[in-house]
Amino acid sequence: DADVTQTPRNRITKTGKRIMLECSQTKGHDRMYWYRQDPGLGLRLIYYSFDVKDINKGEISDGYSVSRQAQAKFSLSLESAIPNQTALYFCATSEARGELFFGEGSRLTVL
Amino acid sequence: RKEVEQDPGPFNVPEGATVAFNCTYSNSASQSFFWYRQDCRKEPKLLMSVYSSGNEDGRFTAQLNRASQYISLLIRDSKLSDSATYLCVVNKVGSGNTPLVFGKGTRLSVIA
Repeated sequence: DADVTQTPRNRITKTGKRIMLECSQTKGHDRMYWYRQDPGLGLRLIYYSFDVKDINKGEISDGYSVSRQAQAKFSLSLESAIPNQTALYFCATSEARGELFFGEGSRLTVL
Repeated sequence: RKEVEQDPGPFNVPEGATVAFNCTYSNSASQSFFWYRQDCRKEPKLLMSVYSSGNEDGRFTAQLNRASQYISLLIRDSKLSDSATYLCVVNKVGSGNTPLVFGKGTRLSVIA
């Protein structure tokens, strides 16, 4: 089983719908992250959390929110999805100053 | 200057070739540097960390030049399986409490 699990892996939705992407990890890391990847733009940080009570905005947080329900769980929500949020989303975990471990990605298409 | 900048490529090289990628970073206080590898439609995975003294792992050599603020990755004797996108990664400031910043990646295609 993967150490960092994302669900769903693929989702097609319509403009205006609320979407939640979930991430869970078994690595015991305190730090969790949500990244978005678009062709030609690379990986961009949406939100990150260094422990259960800590939430920080990344460079592109507008239109997104997150919830850190437990050390092992970090979910990303799109309250009202729009087509330019179509992208590949990655959850990642790390220890302090450590290697990032990524989930397999969630491909979201907003029509 | 962008925080982390890489030549996007693609680099198309024959098997057995030596290829080098460079990456520049803007924050002189950055202290942690990495190369990640990403295969098509897969998640990025750590290839190697980059240390001040330089480091080597088999066919891969990473070097850091703090004065010029660039990092390099050298791949010798390229294999078909080396075809991937290589991501340069830097921590944002000289602290362990800020997330890593990714370059846009350099795509490598090794051709038989």
